[in-house]
This record gives sequence, structure tokens and C-alpha cells, in this order.
Amino acid sequence: SQTIHQWPATLVQPVGSPLSLECTVEGTSNPNLYWYRQAAGRGLQLLFYSVGIGQISSEVPQNLSASRPQDRQFILSSKKLLLSDSGFYLCAWTDAPGELFFGEGSRLTVL
Amino acid sequence: AQSVTQLGSHVSVSEGALVLLRCNYSSSVPPYLFWYVQYPNQGLQLLLKYTTGATLVKGINGFEAEFKKSETSFHLTKPSAHMSDAAEYFCAVSEHTGFQKLVFGTGTRLLVSP
Repeated sequence: SQTIHQWPATLVQPVGSPLSLECTVEGTSNPNLYWYRQAAGRGLQLLFYSVGIGQISSEVPQNLSASRPQDRQFILSSKKLLLSDSGFYLCAWTDAPGELFFGEGSRLTVL
Repeated sequence: AQSVTQLGSHVSVSEGALVLLRCNYSSSVPPYLFWYVQYPNQGLQLLLKYTTGATLVKGINGFEAEFKKSETSFHLTKPSAHMSDAAEYFCAVSEHTGFQKLVFGTGTRLLVSP
């Protein structure tokens, strides 16, 4: 069966520091991969999605970036974090129309 | 562009009472519609989905939703609330064709009292 892993689960970082959140999927090939951010009271915002290795589409201009170095690995990064980057980050994958499977999330607090 | 509106950021019910969570969508093409549930500090789990066919969709944990095209609605219901239903619920929409990108509503937190 397919599983998705995200880490770290919790992260507290100072403003201006770098960020790296990692997501890996097991049990499937060539999945579509997504990064969502959930901010308090604002629902889920799609940040990036990827249909294949090295193929990244950005939905929202910001100081975050994403990379897909391997088929089942999706990384969210930042060179310098802002206070507004705080939130709950969710990785997801799909291989069927519309239905997403989410990881457990990474909670980022920027101080 | 597609969008989802969830009426009520918080809904409170008593255990055993009817649960009704409202969702209205906007889409220029036939939509796929979804309800997801999120428990504290966890990812989202699919409750149910509508793609084509029967407009009344049954999901896990006794939930169901009805797609009403004329009202552009996809409300989530459960006849009898249980304490374990307390969570945040998200309605989402995506297009039938092309790359699947889900657009989510802002969520409704369901509170269940004894």
C-alpha cells in the first residue's frame, strides 16, 4: 500500500534562517505531488505542484521554492524565512482524478 | 477560476443531533467535489467524493453529501453526531479535465457536546 512521510513534524526557526521540509511517497510511481500551507482561519493554500522529476509549478509568488530531485521525493525550501511563513505545511500525492492523500504535516513557527 | 465557500467557521451540535455542514462552489466546468476531515495536528483524510453519476454520495463514518447542480451546493450531513466527529471539515473542488488541483474552502470546525 502507498504511504507518505513528512519531516520534520515540528520546527521552530528564527526569521532569516533557511528551511527544508521533506516529503517522500512509497508504494507508487510517478505520482503528482503537492505542497499546501494551512494558516489559521485561511484554509489550505496550494503552494507548489509537480507532475514529474524536476517539473515544478508555483501557484503563489513568495520566498519559498520546491524541488523534486527524485520521483517520489518533494522538498520545500526557503533561503530566508519570514514571520508570515509560519503555518502548517502539508504534502500530498495523487494518482487518481482529484483524490489527494496527505502526509501528517509539518508545523513551522518562525520567531 | 474555481472557488469554494463554506458557511460557518464553527458549527456546534449535541451528541446524537443532525450534522449539517454547508458548502457552495463555483466552477465553469463540471466539477469534482470532495469533503475532507482533519483531526488536530494531522493531515487531511478523504470522507467522500463526487465525480459523476449518483448525486447522493455516501462516505466513511456515516457521512453523506448531495451534489445539487442547480444550487451549486455539496452539503455534508450525518444523521446522528458522535463525539469522535469533532474535527475540522474541508470542502474542495477540482476540474474534471487537466491536471488535478484541488481548491479548498476555509474549513468548518465541528464541535460536539455531550
